[in-house]
Amino acid sequence: GAGVSQTPSNKVTEKGKYVELRCDPISGHTALYWYRQSLGQGPEFLIYFQGTGAADDSGLPNDRFFAVRPEGSVSTLKIQRTERGDSAVYLCASSLASGTDTQYFGPGTRLTVL
Amino acid sequence: DAKTTQPTSMDCAEGRAANLPCNHSTISGNEYVYWYRQIHSQGPQYIIHGLKNNETNEMASLIITEDRKSSTLILPHATLRDTAVYYCIVRVSAGNMLTFGGGTRLMVKP
Repeated sequence: GAGVSQTPSNKVTEKGKYVELRCDPISGHTALYWYRQSLGQGPEFLIYFQGTGAADDSGLPNDRFFAVRPEGSVSTLKIQRTERGDSAVYLCASSLASGTDTQYFGPGTRLTVL
Repeated sequence: DAKTTQPTSMDCAEGRAANLPCNHSTISGNEYVYWYRQIHSQGPQYIIHGLKNNETNEMASLIITEDRKSSTLILPHATLRDTAVYYCIVRVSAGNMLTFGGGTRLMVKP
């Protein structure tokens, strides 16, 4: 079946602009995760949704970052007033439920802030 | 979650077994060992996980020592397509996020 999809695959923006990154999880998966991966490093957790609600947003670096999942399926990661340091690959993962259920990752969105 | 230690890089000849070690000496009783890999420019791919017993699936085998302080991921017949960064992750049973370290960069050579 279809895996996790993310759009766009690449996004180039200018410092100070607003961006939205989209994640379509595997159908039927109730848990959704966002991670960020800087060059040469492993992914870092940002936020986790169980259904429509953000169950853990402890990884969001500051209040410029926000994510929503209004219908419990598609999620959007929103970044306001982008900075050059936000440049990274943003990864989305989903799992059937939470806990130790296996997380399946999408291909990521490469964000470049000029 | 317990910290893991992996070698930074390893080489393996094509067709041979690749044995990737991981130390997790502070692991506690309710923590699972997970392995993911990341091929260049792709998202991480789940490989296998285990709690105490050795596990095997179509991709790999996971050997966990009796004291659970270390484990080894075995790719029985490595191919060039297995070249990737391999991450060993320890995760609590009720936890949600995955905490990635630096991983091991495996290079499979012809």
